[in-house]
Amino acid sequence: AQKVTQAQTEISVVEKEDVTLDCVYETRDTTYYLFWYKQPPSGELVFLIRRNSFDEQNEISGRYSWNFQKSTSSFNFTITASQVVDSAVYFCALSEEAVGNQFYFGTGTSLTVIP
Amino acid sequence: GAVVSQHPSRVICKSGTSVKIECRSLDFQATTMFWYRQFPKQSLMLMATSNEGSKATYEQGVEKDKFLINHASLTLSTLTVTSAHPEDSSFYICSAGREGQYGYTFGSGTRLTVV
Repeated sequence: AQKVTQAQTEISVVEKEDVTLDCVYETRDTTYYLFWYKQPPSGELVFLIRRNSFDEQNEISGRYSWNFQKSTSSFNFTITASQVVDSAVYFCALSEEAVGNQFYFGTGTSLTVIP
Repeated sequence: GAVVSQHPSRVICKSGTSVKIECRSLDFQATTMFWYRQFPKQSLMLMATSNEGSKATYEQGVEKDKFLINHASLTLSTLTVTSAHPEDSSFYICSAGREGQYGYTFGSGTRLTVV
């Protein structure tokens, strides 16, 4: 079973629009970590955020914000006022304490911001 | 801190030859390193987990004799693709972390093309 689901395969938005990338996860652990990574065309993974299972406080970092809701097992990512440089593939990932910190990645959402 | 260097970033090799990819933790000692493979437009799939000084643990379906992993020191793990074939062409990326530390750091990846 897929532990991390990113239902949106591809999204296109016009520059300056807001966009939300969805992430739903599945785990039986009480302690776990959720991540978002950005993968630009060059391929490297750029770390965006880490959230542990005990901290449901939403976070804002510049134009980025994250909404963590344990009740729905979701960890959604919103980009406000999108820019062309935001075009990339975004991965949501889960790390469970019980399995040695292996990452389970979602299938990624390819975001294209049109100028 | 927590920088992981992966080398080479790109390699093209002839079918039947072997290729070695290095993953180094530059400013910390990595007790565990993970190797992932990513096919075009797909997610990252864990290939194997290596702990310093012990044999790597391979995921189901990954040929241990083809993908040789060596984690001889706390700062270096290598992945050798032996007798490479075109179907091994992929993006390989490593991650490294310390025991008990979450939020593993990823290398910049290696794009392997076998011709």
